[in-house]
Amino acid sequence: GQQVMQIPQYQHVQEGEDFTTYCNSSTTLSNIQWYKQRPGGHPVFLIQLVKSGEVKKQKRLTFQFGEAKKNSSLHITATQTTDVGTYFCAGTASYDKVIFGPGTSLSVIP
Amino acid sequence: SQTIHQWPATLVQPVGSPLSLECTVEGTSNPNLYWYRQAAGRGLQLLFYSVGIGQISSEVPQNLSASRPQDRQFILSSKKLLLSDSGFYLCAWGRGASEQYFGPGTRLTVT
Repeated sequence: GQQVMQIPQYQHVQEGEDFTTYCNSSTTLSNIQWYKQRPGGHPVFLIQLVKSGEVKKQKRLTFQFGEAKKNSSLHITATQTTDVGTYFCAGTASYDKVIFGPGTSLSVIP
Repeated sequence: SQTIHQWPATLVQPVGSPLSLECTVEGTSNPNLYWYRQAAGRGLQLLFYSVGIGQISSEVPQNLSASRPQDRQFILSSKKLLLSDSGFYLCAWGRGASEQYFGPGTRLTVT
């Protein structure tokens, strides 16, 4: 069945350093979403990418969708302590189902 | 605007007891509804999803069941809880297979 993988599983960075998490699907996706879950909270939708090669930015966050629509990345520039949390990618292959990756847990050391 | 409610926020139940968790959505009609479970420090496991009243798809065979008695109501149930049912239960709504919006979740501890 369809699988969505993410690396790394954990990342510890010094405040101010950059951070990148990568998402890979075993099948071609119609779209990909990114979510952030703060410790103790619930996942919050960040963004959706639909087009091959699409790049979107939200302040310090840059999201990319691969040309083959099988991979994606989230890059955070100059991390802050407010970026702490787990970042999930989620891919859609079939109409009603979204498959979540296992997440990347980000720790930011002040 | 749309709002999703889940209750209770936390729950401690003994092994073998029944379970009923409720999720309701406001401000939208005919949403897709989802139940996920998250073990501590782990990813999201899709349990059930529904595209309409009375339509339930099960992703993981286990002692849980789901029902959708009304358009914006989704219920997760169990007749007899197991220790392994402990976790963070999240309800979400969405349109098609697109972005999903999660409720605040229920932290269930089975003792």
